[in-house]
Amino acid sequence: EADIYQTPRYLVIGTGKKITLECSQTMGHDKMYWYQQDPGMELHLIHYSYGVNSTEKGDLSSESTVSRIRTEHFPLTLESARPSHTSQYLCASNQIGENTEAFFGQGTRLTVV
Amino acid sequence: SQQGEEDPQALSIQEGENATMNCSYKTSINNLQWYRQNSGRGLVHLILIRSNEREKHSGRLRVTLDTSKKSSSLLITASRAADTASYFCATLDYHGSSNTGKLIFGQGTTLQVKP
Repeated sequence: EADIYQTPRYLVIGTGKKITLECSQTMGHDKMYWYQQDPGMELHLIHYSYGVNSTEKGDLSSESTVSRIRTEHFPLTLESARPSHTSQYLCASNQIGENTEAFFGQGTRLTVV
Repeated sequence: SQQGEEDPQALSIQEGENATMNCSYKTSINNLQWYRQNSGRGLVHLILIRSNEREKHSGRLRVTLDTSKKSSSLLITASRAADTASYFCATLDYHGSSNTGKLIFGQGTTLQVKP
């Protein structure tokens, strides 16, 4: 079982609220990722990090921001949620190297009403 | 755009049949990985095949890699209802080096195995 955790599992909030999705891993992985996925659809990389104090935007433009102050923690923040942000957000991590598998959290299903 | 494109997008078979999913990618790779996702959950790693390998087996899974065609296939033999899930291929977009590379996923194939 992967040691990567996302909270909350489900979140329903009103438009304009600020939210933070939490992601933590206890495997000491340097790389962490956030993906956005609509039901039955492909995963879009929105943010990733390859170590403390490094963050990069992914291929899909996102209004969210991330931080990586500690190796184990990679939170994602939306300053002002909108209905268009409704989606599933998946966090993942893997070790630096060419042949390392990624471990995923269970995801956060966000609904903005 | 995503590195991997998968085919078919959806596949429905009877229990006991084999299921084959294909993945094509665009750039040079060091390895290609396959993942499984049950509905509403995170992804789980299935198998990794290196660029110098042509075929790899793991239980009922068989993965092939053709680097000349930039394609890979995942075969699930003797499928079971519990194999119902979405399957994704993934490659590493180097972005300079493997240390800073990012993992990019294909569109996925949704497999339904009917009992």
